[in-house]
Parts: sequence; structure tokens; C-alpha cells
Amino acid sequence: SAVISQKPSRDICQRGTSLTIQCQVDSQVTMMFWYRQQPGQSLTLIATANQGSEATYESGFVIDKFPISRPNLTFSTLTVSNMSPEDSSIYLCSVRGQRNTIYFGEGSWLTVV
Amino acid sequence: GENVEQHPSTLSVQEGDSAVIKCTYSDSASNYFPWYKQELGKRPQLIIDIRSNVGEKKDQRIAVTLNKTAKHFSLHITETQPEDSAVYFCAAGTGTASKLTFGTGTRLQVTL
Repeated sequence: SAVISQKPSRDICQRGTSLTIQCQVDSQVTMMFWYRQQPGQSLTLIATANQGSEATYESGFVIDKFPISRPNLTFSTLTVSNMSPEDSSIYLCSVRGQRNTIYFGEGSWLTVV
Repeated sequence: GENVEQHPSTLSVQEGDSAVIKCTYSDSASNYFPWYKQELGKRPQLIIDIRSNVGEKKDQRIAVTLNKTAKHFSLHITETQPEDSAVYFCAAGTGTASKLTFGTGTRLQVTL
């Protein structure tokens, strides 16, 4: 499976600020996704990161709050804008690997204070 | 859209016993059903998956069954060990779109 690295791994942020999370994959992948996992909860898909075009957002998530970039087939960023305590979550980058399986990065643990 | 329900939310078994976690899905177009194990403070790890052209799949102590007619699938862990303690998530998706809808998770505790 692909090696998926995320930065930062953990951060404490002030409310009202924005934070950009980076996801780097060690091989080219066609599909990249961003998920959110709120404390003690399941995983929810935020958006599909499309290479060279705007991301496709799921219901309940908007570009102004979660802008996503994907400049090439190995890299993507997710920005969490104007953060509030409700944004405290694990943000997970994922990719579609061989046999169409989905693998997750290590996650970025964000706490908003 | 797809809706995945998962039961039970918590499960406690004694070491050596079997554990079964069940999921149901709503979208008949779903054809890919992975299971993830998430240990505390770590990422979800894929442990087994099944596709709609197969009714059962086994990998050592782990097996998954799929009933497409009833739209449910289950994870079976035999001879449980303390290291099996974790949260398990089922998911459903379509092979081409690769978007997964996750169940709510089952916290499995294996006691000595």
C-alpha cells in the first residue's frame, strides 16, 4: 500500500484562525479524499480532492470552510478556516490504492481552544 | 445517499471467545465493504474487505460475510486476543467512485 504522510500530526489552534494540513503520498494516485473524525465518532467524508480542478464536497461541507488543493497526483492540502471548538477533530487524508482499496494517512489531530 | 448502521456499539468478550459485529446498508448500488480497525490514537487500518461478487472471505482469524439480498454484512473474529481490543468500523461504497460511508463503530474489548 502507498505511504501517506500528513503534517502537522497534531496542533492546538486558537479560535478564529486557519490551519492548512498537508498530505503527501509516495506514489501517484488517482483518487485522494479528506475525512473528518470528531472525538469518539465515526469517519465522515469531507470531499474528494481532484487533481487540477475544484474539489467535490459532500453535503454539509463547503469550500469556504474547507478549501482543498491538489496540484499533482501525490500531494493535497486541506485548510480548516476560521476555526471554532467544534472543528476539533482528526482530519484524515486517504487514497485509493491497488484493488480499489482505501488507505488512510496517520491523521492530523486538531484541538481548537 | 448511503446509510450504514452498525451493531453493537460496544462488545466485551473473554479471550479465546468469538466476536461478531454486524452492519446493514441501504444503497443497493454499493458493492465494496471494507472493515477497519482503529486503535487508540492511531489511524484506521484496513483489516479485511469483501466485494459484492463474493459471499464470504476469510483471513486467518478474521472472516467477513455478505448477504446482498438482505443488505447486511458481518465481521467475525475467532479466538480473540487482547490485541484485538480496538474500535472496528464497517463501511460501504462503490468500487469506481471509492467514496466510503462508515458505520458508527464498535468498541471491542477482549478481557483476560
